[in-house]
Amino acid sequence: QVQLVQSGAEVKKPGASVKVSCKASGYTFTSYGISWVRQAPGQGLEWMGWISAYNGNTNYAQKLQGRVTMTTDTSTSTAYMELRSLRSDDTAVYYCARDVSFRVVTPVMDYWGQGTLVTVSS
Amino acid sequence: QSALTQPASVSGSPGQSITISCTGTSSDVGGYNYVSWYQQHPGKAPKLMIYEVSNRPSGVSNRFSGSKSGNTASLTISGLQAEDEADYYCSSYTSSSPVVFGGGTKLTVL
Repeated sequence: QVQLVQSGAEVKKPGASVKVSCKASGYTFTSYGISWVRQAPGQGLEWMGWISAYNGNTNYAQKLQGRVTMTTDTSTSTAYMELRSLRSDDTAVYYCARDVSFRVVTPVMDYWGQGTLVTVSS
Repeated sequence: QSALTQPASVSGSPGQSITISCTGTSSDVGGYNYVSWYQQHPGKAPKLMIYEVSNRPSGVSNRFSGSKSGNTASLTISGLQAEDEADYYCSSYTSSSPVVFGGGTKLTVL
């Protein structure tokens, strides 16, 4: 069965960086994309970006351009999301999700990881 | 990119039908047949319920249906059940972002 298992919770200080991993299993990793979505406490969902697991092409949300990098390791079927220059308003649960397309970004995310809480606090 | 507009809350009694709207513009909802709906229970990851406006993934109850008219998409849940109580989010492809979510709707089953 398809599973996305994310790394554990993180506590970071303002200005630091965080790297969250998302290990996929149960499907051919390179046949899909991976999107990252975050949810601040008590708030709605925010799309952060997408990476093609096929060729590594990326598409990031404009507000995060320059602070976020998404990568994949096809040898281990793992996706990574690194966010730099952390601020208090980056405190959120970060989700990875399988995008049904490896060619272009779509809003169709059919399997989700369990979420990773990132807390930014001094 | 502004979030799509959803009502903050809707409610219904067991067995009834409810509809949640998702209003955008011609640059997102109205311009593409790429609208998805997600269900999220407290403390859980979202679950895909509808994709491409009206398609249900395997395993999703046929009590859930989606439609679109102009710049507004809708999710209808018929035969409301207690387990349907959750937050619901719409999402659309956009010409700029390229993905945007709605603000979310809290469904209460009375």
